Amino acid sequence: DGGITQSPKYLFRKEGQNVTLSCEQNLNHDAMYWYRQDPGQGLRLIYYSQIVNDFQKGDIAEGYSVSREKKESFPLTVTSAQKNPTAFYLCASSFPGRSSELFFGSGTQLSVL
Amino acid sequence: QQQVKQSPQSLIVQKGGISIINCAYENTAFDYFPWYQQFPGKGPALLIAIRPDVSEKKEGRFTISFNKSAKQFSLHIMDSQPGDSATYFCAARAGGGADGLTFGKGTHLIIQP
Repeated sequence: DGGITQSPKYLFRKEGQNVTLSCEQNLNHDAMYWYRQDPGQGLRLIYYSQIVNDFQKGDIAEGYSVSREKKESFPLTVTSAQKNPTAFYLCASSFPGRSSELFFGSGTQLSVL
Repeated sequence: QQQVKQSPQSLIVQKGGISIINCAYENTAFDYFPWYQQFPGKGPALLIAIRPDVSEKKEGRFTISFNKSAKQFSLHIMDSQPGDSATYFCAARAGGGADGLTFGKGTHLIIQP
């Protein structure tokens, strides 16, 4: 069953803590993306990667970091520098050259304790 | 600067009625305009999409109307059903689209039975 798997579904962060959100895909897509969703704000791009070992900052990259060591995986770390981390985080993937057709995971809801 | 403006923010339609959601853009480099549908707690899924060389595209009860000169496009849902209740996002992609999509802020649609 092909798709994008995000885990965990819910995550809680303590003050000063870094947390990592997992995103795995078995669609053989080269491109992967992280979006942040806040109520009434739409989806905003955090980071994206077109190929293994390469990634670029999106519109709101401050306080976040990523890695792309494997084609299937694109984890997102929310660092302590992100002062307002509470949001719904969505991972997506696509074939190269067809980035408009994004396939999304089911998201991770991150909250601050 | 918001590159894709979406309205209304919320919409209530009676069952069997027509739901209309509007989007406007400024960036003339946009060359692909998809609509995504999102149910609570899930990731968005591609619903229908259009390119600027076409003025209208219809898939079942869903129709996109595109006005290139006005830089506007809209989603029409005919014979709206309670199962259509969801959040709808318009989006746009610039030429090449390596950095994914730019999304509107979303419309929360409720279809009353």
